[in-house]
Order: sequence, then C-alpha cells, then structure tokens
Amino acid sequence: DSGVTQTPKHLITATGQRVTLRCSPRSGDLSVYWYQQSLDQGLQFLIHYYNGEERAKGNILERFSAQQFPDLHSELNLSSLELGDSALYFCASSVDPTRFGYGYTFGSGTRLTVV
Amino acid sequence: SQQGEEDPQALSIQEGENATMNCSYKTSINNLQWYRQNSGRGLVHLILIRSNEREKHSGRLRVTLDTSKKSSSLLITASRAADTASYFCATDAGGGSYIPTFGRGTSLIVHP
Repeated sequence: DSGVTQTPKHLITATGQRVTLRCSPRSGDLSVYWYQQSLDQGLQFLIHYYNGEERAKGNILERFSAQQFPDLHSELNLSSLELGDSALYFCASSVDPTRFGYGYTFGSGTRLTVV
Repeated sequence: SQQGEEDPQALSIQEGENATMNCSYKTSINNLQWYRQNSGRGLVHLILIRSNEREKHSGRLRVTLDTSKKSSSLLITASRAADTASYFCATDAGGGSYIPTFGRGTSLIVHP
C-alpha cells in the first residue's frame, strides 16, 4: 500500500457518459498530480493541485476537469466520454512541488473502459 | 513529445545477469527519477538523482547521470525474476518547471 488511495479500481461506462475518479493523497502530502496512461500515448501529465489550488496543467482535455478539496482529496471528472478516453488514470502525491524533488507516490490507478 | 525516452524498449535477460536501461532527455533538468511499474499497477519510485549528482546507489540499483550528454542509466545488478516490470525515467523541464514527464519505458523480463 503506497498510501495514495484511488477509487474506483475499475470503471466501465458508455460513450457520452460522465465519471468521477477519486484520489486521496498520502498523509502529509499537499500536492496531487493526475496522469493518464494509454498504450499509444504513454504516461501523460494532466493536472497538478497544491493545497487546493491548481498549479499546472498538462495535456488535459476541456472535457476533463479536476479539483482538490480542503481535506486534500482530489477528484478528476471526465465528461462526454469517448472510446479513446479508455486508459489507466493515476494519481500521485508529493510533499514538495519545488524543483528539488522528493519523488512522487503513485496510487494503483483507475482503469477506465469506455464502450 | 516526451522529455525522457528510455532505451531499449524491451530487454530480456536471465536471472543473475545485470540489466542496463538508458534514458535520454532534451532540455536541462533539475532532477531525474526512475520508477518501476508492474503490469497494470501503479508506479513505484526507485531513485532520484539531482542535476549536480553523477551517481547514486540504492541496494542493487545504480543510477548515473551525464548532464553533458543529457542521459542517465539505470543498472540493476544480479537481477531476479521479481524485477520483471517496466521501468520509466521521469524528468522535469528544468528552471521553474517541476512537473515530471515520463518516457514510454523499458519493459524488462527476467527469466528464472
């Protein structure tokens, strides 16, 4: 157990639907990062939150949004789902987002299948 | 495009042999990290090397960093079947950017 909790582990839904993925960071970590992993694109950074505020955006589609709540858990909302959104979605947390880096702790991911 | 790219894409060795994976990147960095991912699971942080360091060790892992060549290598000595996994390097973009971007990984298979 890495200390980062992601739910659900698996999600199967139809095209056009909306889903919410949840992440609880490791205790003491203020930063949450969302990544998408697919076979053709590899591991793509989506968005970063630090202590409730959005800090950086990556290759996140407009159909996707995220937020971090006061208790530091984060949710990634995916809407108008397309077949190509099928992927593993990972959340990672870290204590310090500065350039010094302390490594990131990843959750076990949510496998999203859009049918 | 990926900041870091691993090479080779796949590596197959026998238990007890050493495994070497390489990572090349494009822009200057603050640090470089290596992660392991077992099939369908989350990534596990292995080691972080800062831009002012040249070599780090952790157990059977040895990481080197050559900033002049913009490359890093991960050596796993005396490999075990349990080392079978994908290995990723992650680099930030240097300067004020700290978001780690990942390569596509090296798939390592260690045969018992």
